[in-house]
Amino acid sequence: DAGVIQSPRHEVTEMGQEVTLRCKPISGHNSLFWYRQTMMRGLELLIYFNNNVPIDDSGMPEDRFSAKMPNASFSTLKIQPSEPRDSAVYFCASNAGTTYNEQFFGPGTRLTVL
Amino acid sequence: AQRVTQPEKLLSVFKGAPVELKCNYSYSGSPELFWYVQYSRQRLQLLLRHISRESIKGFTADLNKGETSFHLKKPFAQEEDSAMYYCALSTGGGNKLTFGTGTQLKVEL
Repeated sequence: DAGVIQSPRHEVTEMGQEVTLRCKPISGHNSLFWYRQTMMRGLELLIYFNNNVPIDDSGMPEDRFSAKMPNASFSTLKIQPSEPRDSAVYFCASNAGTTYNEQFFGPGTRLTVL
Repeated sequence: AQRVTQPEKLLSVFKGAPVELKCNYSYSGSPELFWYVQYSRQRLQLLLRHISRESIKGFTADLNKGETSFHLKKPFAQEEDSAMYYCALSTGGGNKLTFGTGTQLKVEL
């Protein structure tokens, strides 16, 4: 298994453009998490899904951010319109959804908004 | 609301010296705590978890409920321990983790 897969690995865009980040969880995992990593705030949970259903989106910064999980093997995080303060590394993680189970992280997408 | 505090952004120690990465949490119930590590050019990964009471790569962490702390310790630092370390908290038997802001450990020769 290749582990959690994220694409693209790097994204550079201009302010106002739409950005879509993609994630493929580990096969068989039923929970998926999106995180944002910055120097100032560390690792912040944006949203997580159980069995493709959003459970907690309280970490989503504002309406410009949206996330979907149309099936068990794919999720997207969209930012529209993007702003320079969205520049960060975005991680996707998955796990089997059982209590206190280890989360497996993807390599991250480094987003730069100019 | 739960919170995890890692007071040091950067900790620099010499090889062979003891290491202690501090973690304090805020939660009124019974927490479960974890340490995750991110080595250079590698993915963030679980290092150890409180419930397992294990020692991984020489690291240990003891939950102190009185002080609400879960400090990560190693008696003798190695160069390969240089990495970013995150303390994380899970509450109420749920699947959600709250992470601290991380501590960059640098082990100098």
